[in-house]
Amino acid sequence: GQNIDQPTEMTATEGAIVQINCTYQTSGFNGLFWYQQHAGEAPTFLSYNVLDGLEEKGRFSSFLSRSKGYSYLLLKELQMKDSASYLCAVTDSNYQLIWGAGTKLIIKP
Amino acid sequence: GAVVSQHPSWVICKSGTSVKIECRSLDFQATTMFWYRQFPKQSLMLMATSNEGSKATYEQGVEKDKFLINHASLTLSTLTVTSAHPEDSSFYICSARDSEREVGTQYFGPGTRLLVL
Repeated sequence: GQNIDQPTEMTATEGAIVQINCTYQTSGFNGLFWYQQHAGEAPTFLSYNVLDGLEEKGRFSSFLSRSKGYSYLLLKELQMKDSASYLCAVTDSNYQLIWGAGTKLIIKP
Repeated sequence: GAVVSQHPSWVICKSGTSVKIECRSLDFQATTMFWYRQFPKQSLMLMATSNEGSKATYEQGVEKDKFLINHASLTLSTLTVTSAHPEDSSFYICSARDSEREVGTQYFGPGTRLLVL
């Protein structure tokens, strides 16, 4: 079966760095996405990785290792507004998007 | 770019009525749109994949006669919840895939909150 695992909840301190991991087992792979979802709102696109390595976008970076079926989202200089759920999603061989359950990130002052 | 709108944002209706939700891609064409449902504190659940000009593909357990999907143009898909009941109360979110951008990227609408009394 297809499976995406990510931690249910994480807590970090304002100004610090946090890494949210995601491991996946899917039938084929055509890219991995990270989305941010604030409570009560729809998800917003953060990043897309299809090749191995690190993609950096400002305070957010996303890493992919296809051989390990592993990705992480790195958030630097955490701000209170970064408190949200972070969803990992993988596109399989049929270009279907398989969603993880999301990681709730709590930022403390 | 890549803006998706949904209308209405809020719906309150009586049990037994039908509710139509519109999803539009404003600055790109979307041959494929997706409809999700999200209950409080739960993950997104894909209901169906909407393809322009053809019948929607429904996920297992989703009643196609209850959740009617029409994708009549490259920028508009509609979801009609027929004979809505209180258990249909949820957050309905659509997304659209822009084939000109990264393969598979979905851009989400702001969602529609449905409350059935």
